[in-house]
Amino acid sequence: QSALTQPPSASGSPGQSVTISCTGTNSDVGDYNYVSWYQQHPGKAPKLMIYEVSKRPSGVPDRFSGSKSGDTASLTVSGLQAEDEADYYCSSYAGSNAVVFGGGTKLTVL
Amino acid sequence: QVQLVESGGGVVQPGRSLRLSCAASGFTFSNYAMHWVRQAPGKGLEWVAIIWYDGSNKYYADSVKGRFTISRDNSKNTLFLQMNSLRAEDTAVYYCARGSMAQADYWGQGTLVTVSS
Repeated sequence: QSALTQPPSASGSPGQSVTISCTGTNSDVGDYNYVSWYQQHPGKAPKLMIYEVSKRPSGVPDRFSGSKSGDTASLTVSGLQAEDEADYYCSSYAGSNAVVFGGGTKLTVL
Repeated sequence: QVQLVESGGGVVQPGRSLRLSCAASGFTFSNYAMHWVRQAPGKGLEWVAIIWYDGSNKYYADSVKGRFTISRDNSKNTLFLQMNSLRAEDTAVYYCARGSMAQADYWGQGTLVTVSS
């Protein structure tokens, strides 16, 4: 159950696009289409933004999109807005009835 | 609306026990699997455990296996986490969340557990 690898930080200006990567192995991200992304503002609970690699829950803006290639999943935020500044975490089913999270990425809107 | 409210956190000495609760409302609790996820101060999220909708299956992270027990009372719409042999590294905010192995779609606000002498 090793943590997925995310860059510690990412940034972009308002209106720009930014992509956050999440690298696992062929035992988790690469083996299952069960990658999720969560947004967490300081002092708040996480919020589901993307599930099953690329699906958006109701109410999540379509500026948020997800994809996967091999052992790496990605979250893209288009048309950056100030309220998108937050920590973002990926997670994946890791087989053997376990779930693993990434270390988190702090997204800064410049 | 879906609501999850955790309780039971506090300060506890190493080696002691603590039981967390999560009261659910706004959905049919007995239809959903439930997670516990924790977050150490200033750190990332760590999955702790999951229990099937009917309590028939329970799975744990290696870091808590043998010390923590997840359970539920569907008649009371409540999820529990019994934590034994607590260690300093168990200090964290503990969140309950509704979901499956694939995702956690609703989260509570969390309860802080501090393990310290």
